[in-house]
Amino acid sequence: EAQVTQNPRYLITVTGKKLTVTCSQNMNHEYMSWYRQDPGLGLRQIYYSMNVEVTDKGDVPEGYKVSRKEKRNFPLILESPSPNQTSLYFCASSFSGDGAYEQYFGPGTRLTVT
Amino acid sequence: GESVGLHLPTLSVQEGDNSIINCAYSNSASDYFIWYKQESGKGPQFIIDIRSNMDKRQGQRVTVLLNKTVKHLSLQIAATQPGDSAVYFCAENLGNNAGNMLTFGGGTRLMVKP
Repeated sequence: EAQVTQNPRYLITVTGKKLTVTCSQNMNHEYMSWYRQDPGLGLRQIYYSMNVEVTDKGDVPEGYKVSRKEKRNFPLILESPSPNQTSLYFCASSFSGDGAYEQYFGPGTRLTVT
Repeated sequence: GESVGLHLPTLSVQEGDNSIINCAYSNSASDYFIWYKQESGKGPQFIIDIRSNMDKRQGQRVTVLLNKTVKHLSLQIAATQPGDSAVYFCAENLGNNAGNMLTFGGGTRLMVKP
């Protein structure tokens, strides 16, 4: 089954404790992206990757890091989480190339930073 | 399930009626638009897309209308069903150098009354 998976689905952590949220897709998509979703603010892009070893900042990259060492994986790293990073996070992927393509979303990761 | 927005505009319709969800987009250079549906506890799911060289596109029970003059996008759902209850997001791609990047609207909550 074609899908985007994220782990963990729920995470409660404390300020300053480094964490990684994993994202994996099995559709051979070049493009992958991370979003955060907050009440009243919709989906905002954190980072994206056009292909392996190619990453770039989205609209709200501060406090986050990403890596793209393999095509299927795109982990989101919070080196020193803070309470304002409490949010619902989504990973998405799509084919790349001419024009824009439908993005497939993962099920979400609910992060709470205390 | 996860809360995706506590203060979203809400559209309440009777089961069997038609629904129209509206979206104003910001950039006249946008050339690709998508509607997503997000059910509680899930990631956004693709419904239908449209390119800027079209003004109407139909899917199964859904129609998207694009009015570039006033930068307005709408999603029409025919014979609305309880399973259509969700939050609906429009998204735009700015074209040219924007690659696969999507900018999302704030969302509208659709509630279907049985």
